[in-house]
Amino acid sequence: KAGVTQTPRYLIKTRGQQVTLSCSPISGHRSVSWYQQTPGQGLQFLFEYFSETQRNKGNFPGRFSGRQFSNSRSEMNVSTLELGDSALYLCASSSLDPRRETQYFGPGTRLLVL
Amino acid sequence: AQSVAQPEDQVNVAEGNPLTVKCTYSVSGNPYLFWYVQYPNRGLQFLLKYITGDNLVKGSYGFEAEFNKSQTSFHLKKPSALVSDSALYFCAVRDSTSGTYKYIFGTGTRLKVLA
Repeated sequence: KAGVTQTPRYLIKTRGQQVTLSCSPISGHRSVSWYQQTPGQGLQFLFEYFSETQRNKGNFPGRFSGRQFSNSRSEMNVSTLELGDSALYLCASSSLDPRRETQYFGPGTRLLVL
Repeated sequence: AQSVAQPEDQVNVAEGNPLTVKCTYSVSGNPYLFWYVQYPNRGLQFLLKYITGDNLVKGSYGFEAEFNKSQTSFHLKKPSALVSDSALYFCAVRDSTSGTYKYIFGTGTRLKVLA
């Protein structure tokens, strides 16, 4: 089974721009979560989608948004980029079968904001 | 509120010695507990989980963890450390009763295995 894939792997943007990151979950997984990882803050939960609905949201400003498509692929968007948005953005998918539930992570997208 | 604590930023251990990476948690219901490992410039890799059953959980690469309900701990262990085990380790918890599928991660513990 193919793992979680994220595109692009690396991205350089300038302040004020907007960016869209993409995540394709493991086949059959309907839950997709997004995390921001920085050296100072660690792993911070952004949001989680299940069947195209956002079920959970972390404490991030409205500049961070996401969506999920009917094939479970997910995108996250960050508008009006700030220097502090530089981070590794990780996507994780889960089947949500209680007997097998585990989040599996993609390799991440490293975003650098200049 | 749910929380996870990894009290050590870094753990150093000599190759061949046993290792322990500590994790304590706080949830309102029964916890789902996880350990992940992250190698440089990579995503997180799943190591093991506890949902129910035997308190000693065995996972990938020879790692195991013991769920201790009275001490609300879920320490990661390995009998004999390898240099290749050097990485960043994260403990995570999910409350099974809240109806939320939000995972809370610890701050991570960097494991350094010295040759």
